Order: sequence, then C-alpha cells, then structure tokens
Amino acid sequence: DAGVIQSPRHEVTEMGQEVTLRCKPISGHNSLFWYRQTMMRGLELLIYFNNNVPIDDSGMPEDRFSAKMPNASFSTLKIQPSEPRDSAVYFCASSRPGGRGQPQHFGDGTRLSIL
Amino acid sequence: AQTVTQSQPEMSVQEAETVTLSCTYDTSESNYYLFWYKQPPSRQMILVIRQEAYKQQNATENRFSVNFQKAAKSFSLKISDSQLGDTAMYFCAFMKTGANSKLTFGKGITLSVRP
Repeated sequence: DAGVIQSPRHEVTEMGQEVTLRCKPISGHNSLFWYRQTMMRGLELLIYFNNNVPIDDSGMPEDRFSAKMPNASFSTLKIQPSEPRDSAVYFCASSRPGGRGQPQHFGDGTRLSIL
Repeated sequence: AQTVTQSQPEMSVQEAETVTLSCTYDTSESNYYLFWYKQPPSRQMILVIRQEAYKQQNATENRFSVNFQKAAKSFSLKISDSQLGDTAMYFCAFMKTGANSKLTFGKGITLSVRP
C-alpha cells in the first residue's frame, strides 16, 4: 500500500513568495494532520482534519498560514507571504477512523527553506 | 492538557548492547494510548511501538519493548541488541481516547549506536 505522499520534498524560495505544500493521505484514512518540525520548537501540530473538516487549527502560527482539504485524498498547506522564520520541515500524517488510538502514519516531509 | 517529557536529550550505546530511553507524561485521563516514533537521519517518522493504557501487559515489537508504569506515568522504550540502523531521534507521544484525538509529542532524544 502507498504511504502518505507529500510534495515537494524540498522547496527553496525567496521571502515574500507564496508556498504551497501538498499531501495525499493513505486511502481509507479519515484524519489528516499537518506538523512543523524545527530544532528550536520540535514537532508542532499546526492543524488537523477529520472527514475533510478542520477540527483544530490552534497551532497555525498566524494568518499567513492556511490549510485546506477539498476531498478525502488531498490537502494543501499554504504560506503567503513566506518569511525566513517559516523555514522548517513540514510533515503530513494520516490515520484511520475509530478514535481508538489509531497510529498516525507520516509522509517523508517537505524541507522548506525561505531565503 | 497533556504534557510529555523526555528529559535526556542524547544517549549513546554500543552495538549489540541494550539501551533504555525514558519518557514521562502528565494527564488526568484514565484511558489513553502511548507511542514511540523513530526518526532516522532520512527524517522519516516511523512508528516503533504502541501501548494501550488499559492493558497491563507491556507491548513488544521484536527488539523493542516498553516498560509502562501507569501509576508513575512512565513509558520507557528498551532496545535490545542495538544495531547501527537504530541510530535516530526517538519521540514519545500521548493520545487521548475518543474521536478527534491528536498526538502530543515529547521533545525527542537522539540515540547514537556506536560500532
């Protein structure tokens, strides 16, 4: 079975540009999570969706960040305008329904560098 | 709110030896799930092991086992017969039961396996 697929794997762009990160969850998984990982702050949950509906976006740093899940097989995380402090590895993860401690399966991450 | 603490930032072990990674957590929940994830230098996040809090038996996956002490809120990971491929960052994580539950991660510990 295919795992969680993220694209791009690396992104380098200049400050002020719009950045779009993409994620395809595992088929049959109904929960999707976006995380950011930095040396200083570790792994932070930005937002998560259940059945395509955003449940908790309290981790989204500010209005420059937005996330969508238009259908069960695709999600995007957008940063506009981007800033150097947004440089990090961004992970997408998905899990099965059930609420019974289903483990999250992670994609390979997108390493984002804002110059 | 739940917190997960990994107080050891780094550990080192000789190949073929056994090492134990510590994790403590704080919660008022009586039923929950605990996880260990591994992040090798390739940056993938890989599920190592999962424990259900209402099960007294410690989870085991091949060379990986846990020592779950519910009263002490402790969840340590034991790696037996350490291999070079075990070199990675290890994250302890907590999840409440119920729908819309998210993972709370510790800061992680860097494990180096010496040849």
